[in-house]
Amino acid sequence: NAGVTQTPKFQVLKTGQSMTLQCAQDMNHNSMYWYRQDPGMGLRLIYYSASEGTTDKGEVPNGYNVSRLNKREFSLRLESAAPSQTSVYFCASSVTGTGAFQETQYFGPGTRLLVL
Amino acid sequence: AQSVTQPDIHITVSEGASLELRCNYSYGATPYLFWYVQSPGQGLQLLLKYFSGDTLVQGIKGFEAEFKRSQSSFNLRKPSVHWSDAAEYFCAVGAYQTGANNLFFGTGTRLTVIP
Repeated sequence: NAGVTQTPKFQVLKTGQSMTLQCAQDMNHNSMYWYRQDPGMGLRLIYYSASEGTTDKGEVPNGYNVSRLNKREFSLRLESAAPSQTSVYFCASSVTGTGAFQETQYFGPGTRLLVL
Repeated sequence: AQSVTQPDIHITVSEGASLELRCNYSYGATPYLFWYVQSPGQGLQLLLKYFSGDTLVQGIKGFEAEFKRSQSSFNLRKPSVHWSDAAEYFCAVGAYQTGANNLFFGTGTRLTVIP
């Protein structure tokens, strides 16, 4: 099992460019999440998908869109990148997500994004 | 609203010394608490979690944490630190939002281990 994989590992964008961050999990998990990590801020939830076909906003959704392509894949899109979106982005997954507070979230290795 | 505070941004300890990382939480209901570790350039790995029962929780890599409801704390401890423990440590509280349980993270504590 690869667990949670993310591509690319590193990306440099110019302001206004668009890109999609890819995430896939092979653990048959229902729920998937996108976080961003900024210095001194910890991890903040951008969007999540409790199950295939559903997506919901997290704490910091502005400037992002997501697609739950199928049960395995959850992508994050930046339509018009801004320097404020320079960050490290982590994808995570959990078994069911709904009402299961004891669930562990499993994280990918992250994508480091620099917007110039 | 839920929140997590990790008051120590950076801690330095000598190898073999004991370690305690502090975590305080704010949450209106029974808290579901987690400690994650992030090694340089890596994703987050779960160390341990608390939901109910025994307030002293054992985790991987020799870590333990104690839940103290009266102090709203969930401090992480290790009796003897190894150089490989150098990493960033995040405390988190699980809270239910529409449709899913979500994690709210503290800002992290960076641990440096001196040989």
